[in-house]
This record gives sequence, structure tokens and C-alpha cells, in this order.
Amino acid sequence: AQSVTQPDIHITVSEGASLELRCNYSYGATPYLFWYVQSPGQGLQLLLKYFSGDTLVQGIKGFEAEFKRSQSSFNLRKPSVHWSDAAEYFCAVGALGFNKFYFGSGTKLNVKP
Amino acid sequence: KAGVTQTPRYLIKTRGQQVTLSCSPISGHRSVSWYQQTPGQGLQFLFEYFSETQRNKGNFPGRFSGRQFSNSRSEMNVSTLELGDSALYLCASSLDQGSETQYFGPGTRLLVL
Repeated sequence: AQSVTQPDIHITVSEGASLELRCNYSYGATPYLFWYVQSPGQGLQLLLKYFSGDTLVQGIKGFEAEFKRSQSSFNLRKPSVHWSDAAEYFCAVGALGFNKFYFGSGTKLNVKP
Repeated sequence: KAGVTQTPRYLIKTRGQQVTLSCSPISGHRSVSWYQQTPGQGLQFLFEYFSETQRNKGNFPGRFSGRQFSNSRSEMNVSTLELGDSALYLCASSLDQGSETQYFGPGTRLLVL
């Protein structure tokens, strides 16, 4: 069965500190992986995506993610967090040819000044 | 290029009523997907339309339906509203069949009283 697990519901980091948000997936086919960010009351904005090739992908706003097939993981990282990064982050998995995505339950990021 | 637009942004209905939500995809995008987002269930896939045909469907009751017009605009309808239908309904568009990336609108917040 297809599923996405984000084990951390809430994370608090200090501004300027590094960040890593975890994502594990279960998917029968070759996965396409995504990270989205959602600010309160807003839709989802695409941060980055992985389809194939280099397992370290760069996204917008200084975020990057690393695909590890052996661990079925796609963790999101940022070296230095800004107060404006406070939001909810969603990991999603899909497959080529099927516009049906499975989302994790989200991780709410709080940034301390 | 304008993003995905959804109307209305906010809606209040009472139990038993029906509601229609509208989504205009990014210009040139032919696939439209709908998601329901609630605090308890997270983001759940409702259905996807491509070229006026429903291509994928999630696990929602028949009270939830949708359609797509020749200009790719889409509507979703919920009949006989229940309290549990209160949610943020998100629409996402992608370029074509099999496209890997979905772009989300701001959502319609539905409150059922």
C-alpha cells in the first residue's frame, strides 16, 4: 500500500539553526517525491521534487532534499532557518502517469527568534 | 502566468445543503485534481480530471462529484452536506496526462453548520 510517513508532527528550531524534516514512503512503483510548504490558510507551494538522477535535489528558498532508496526516505534540509520558514511542510509521493498523490500528515515548523 | 484560482475562498453552509466549488487551472494545464484537507485526516485525494474525463478517484462517498469543462476549468460538488465535510478543499493543476508536478490553488474553506 502506498503511504507517506512524517514522524515529526511539530519541530521547533532557533533562527539560524539547521533543519532536517523526515519523510519515509512506501510505494509500489518508482516513486516521484515532492516537498510542499503551506502557510496558514493558504494552498501548497512546491519546494522541490525528485524524479531521477542525482539523489540530492535543490529547491527554492534554500531547501534541499536527499533521496535514499535503501531507506525509503526523502528528508528535507536547510542549513540555516529563517523566521519566515515557519509553516507546515508536507512530503508527497506519486508516480509518472498517475496524477494521484499521497501526502504525509505534515510537520509544523516553529522558528524561535 | 496566473496561478490556480479557486472560488469562493470561504463558504458557510448548513447540513443537508449542497455546494459547488470552482477551480481554474493554470493556463495550458489540462489536468485538475481535488483534495480535501482536514486536521484529522490530512490531505486526501478526491479525484482527478483530464480532458473532461475523471481519470482517478479517491475513497470518498458518491456525495462528492466533479466535472471538467472544455476549457479545463473544474467544479466539484458535495451534496447533502455533513458536519464532517468541513474542510479546506484544494485544487491542483498539472500540464497534462502523466505530468509529474501539481500546482495548488489557495483552497476553498468550507464550514458546515
